[in-house]
Amino acid sequence: SAVISQKPSRDICQRGTSLTIQCQVDSQVTMMFWYRQQPGQSLTLIATANQGSEATYESGFVIDKFPISRPNLTFSTLTVSNMSPEDSSIYLCSGYLAGGPKVETQYFGPGTRLLVL
Amino acid sequence: GENVEQHPSTLSVQEGDSAVIKCTYSDSASNYFPWYKQELGKRPQLIIDIRSNVGEKKDQRIAVTLNKTAKHFSLHITETQPEDSAVYFCAASINNFNKFYFGSGTKLNVKP
Repeated sequence: SAVISQKPSRDICQRGTSLTIQCQVDSQVTMMFWYRQQPGQSLTLIATANQGSEATYESGFVIDKFPISRPNLTFSTLTVSNMSPEDSSIYLCSGYLAGGPKVETQYFGPGTRLLVL
Repeated sequence: GENVEQHPSTLSVQEGDSAVIKCTYSDSASNYFPWYKQELGKRPQLIIDIRSNVGEKKDQRIAVTLNKTAKHFSLHITETQPEDSAVYFCAASINNFNKFYFGSGTKLNVKP
């Protein structure tokens, strides 16, 4: 299995500022992803973090707003830029690990709870 | 892209009863279907999964069935216990299992 940690666990930010969330995996996962989860809602995929190249964004999410880096196989960052209250959410990273206990699956980080005032 | 629909949104059962959660998907190329359990304030945890070449899979009190023709899959929990209370998400994956699309979630409440 893979153990995934995120920093910070939570933050309160002022509108117009940016926050960078870090995701660290203890295994060399094949893929890393970033999701957003509004309270009481499902998980929405923001983007796939590609090692050494630009992330692949889902419809409705753009690089200028959510720049993502993945310098190596075990680390990724997501920046929420020029924040507004609508960005208040839980942001989760995940790692897809082939050959895990469930053969191939995604493991999730604990999430970063963001509140924008 | 893939569209996954899940129902019911909430489900309340008596301890010991069975619970069934159903999902449908739109893309026939989807080939991997995991189920996640998320307790309040915690991360989603994989509880069971099924591949498109299998019709049913069971793990103790939980089972998943898949109907590829109808493009739907279901989670079955038998002998429910209060600790089964959580939000359950289904997901579908195409492109070799990596990108997941999640259902809207089912909040299961098991009453003691």
